[in-house]
Amino acid sequence: SAVISQKPSRDICQRGTSLTIQCQVDSQVTMMFWYRQQPGQSLTLIATANQGSEATYESGFVIDKFPISRPNLTFSTLTVSNMSPEDSSIYLCSVVFPTGNYGYTFGSGTRLTVV
Amino acid sequence: GESVGLHLPTLSVQEGDNSIINCAYSNSASDYFIWYKQESGKGPQFIIDIRSNMDKRQGQRVTVLLNKTVKHLSLQIAATQPGDSAVYFCAERGSRNFNKFYFGSGTKLNVKP
Repeated sequence: SAVISQKPSRDICQRGTSLTIQCQVDSQVTMMFWYRQQPGQSLTLIATANQGSEATYESGFVIDKFPISRPNLTFSTLTVSNMSPEDSSIYLCSVVFPTGNYGYTFGSGTRLTVV
Repeated sequence: GESVGLHLPTLSVQEGDNSIINCAYSNSASDYFIWYKQESGKGPQFIIDIRSNMDKRQGQRVTVLLNKTVKHLSLQIAATQPGDSAVYFCAERGSRNFNKFYFGSGTKLNVKP
């Protein structure tokens, strides 16, 4: 099965700074998704990263805070901007592959702590 | 969007016993559901799925039951093993966008040796 690599796996950042998370897939996929998982919580969809167009954001998430890039069919980045301690979460990249089951395959996540 | 929730936040079972994890969903139009397992420090992993035209689906040691009348899903794990200790999420595919999934709040399964 395809592999999703996320970098960094974890980071501790100062409030007010920004962190860019990278997601690399070893095969081409049409849609990539970014999720947030706050401590002890479930997964919340942030946005859908579309190749060749702007990302589509879910309610409560805005481009200024979570800019997303999708330069090609195998790569995406999520930036967490102007961070505060409330942004401390696990951020997960996921994709839907055209074969097999119709669910997501997830990366291993980026554990972000903002101090 | 859709709302998916779980009845029990934590479940402790003895090794070798069967485990049942429950999930309620809100959108009667949802046609596809997945159970995920998330081990500590890892992303969620697909366990088993079920379409709305089915009531039951079996995998290796796992069974998913779907009751559309009451909008309820359950995951049954037979002969639970220590390696089954994880957080389990149900996910409901969006009825308007088939590429979006909405996740329940999760159940932590603790398997006691």
